[in-house]
Amino acid sequence: DADVTQTPRNRITKTGKRIMLECSQTKGHDRMYWYRQDPGLGLQLIYYSFDVKDINKGEISDGYSVSRQAQAKFSLSLESAIPNQTALYFCATESENYNEQFFGPGTRLTVL
Amino acid sequence: RKEVEQDPGPFNVPEGATVAFNCTYSNSASQSFFWYRQDCRKEPKLLMSVYSSGNEDGRFTAQLNRASQYISLLIRDSKLSDSATYLCVVNHNYGQNFVFGPGTRLSVLP
Repeated sequence: DADVTQTPRNRITKTGKRIMLECSQTKGHDRMYWYRQDPGLGLQLIYYSFDVKDINKGEISDGYSVSRQAQAKFSLSLESAIPNQTALYFCATESENYNEQFFGPGTRLTVL
Repeated sequence: RKEVEQDPGPFNVPEGATVAFNCTYSNSASQSFFWYRQDCRKEPKLLMSVYSSGNEDGRFTAQLNRASQYISLLIRDSKLSDSATYLCVVNHNYGQNFVFGPGTRLSVLP
């Protein structure tokens, strides 16, 4: 079984809809991240959380919100989706000892 | 200027070739450095960490030059399976931590 899972894997929605992307991990890591990836660009950080009570904005948090329901779960919400939020979204955890990040398989989101 | 910059590629090389990728970073406070590999439509995966003394893992060699704020990745004896996008990543060990470069795409041709 994958250590970091994301649901859904693909989603097509319409402008103005509320969307939630979910991430679960079995690695036992405290640190979790949400990124988006657009063609030709590096991964851009949306939000990150160093533990259940710690939530921080990344470089492109506008239009997004997150919830850290438990150590293992970190959800990303788009309150009112817009077409320029069409992208590939990745959740990741971080190993504190080795600074390595472990990514989920990604969610491909299309906003029409 | 972007914080982490890479050769955009694509690099198209024949099997068996040696290929080198370059990466520069602008934040002198960066503490840790990595190369990740990303296959098409897949998640990034750690290829190797980059240490100040340089390090090698099989056909892959990574170098760090802190004075020039420059990181490199050398792949020897390229295989078809090396075809992927290679992401340069730096870590400040504070705040937002990991900063990803845009990636360099490699295609190894038969």
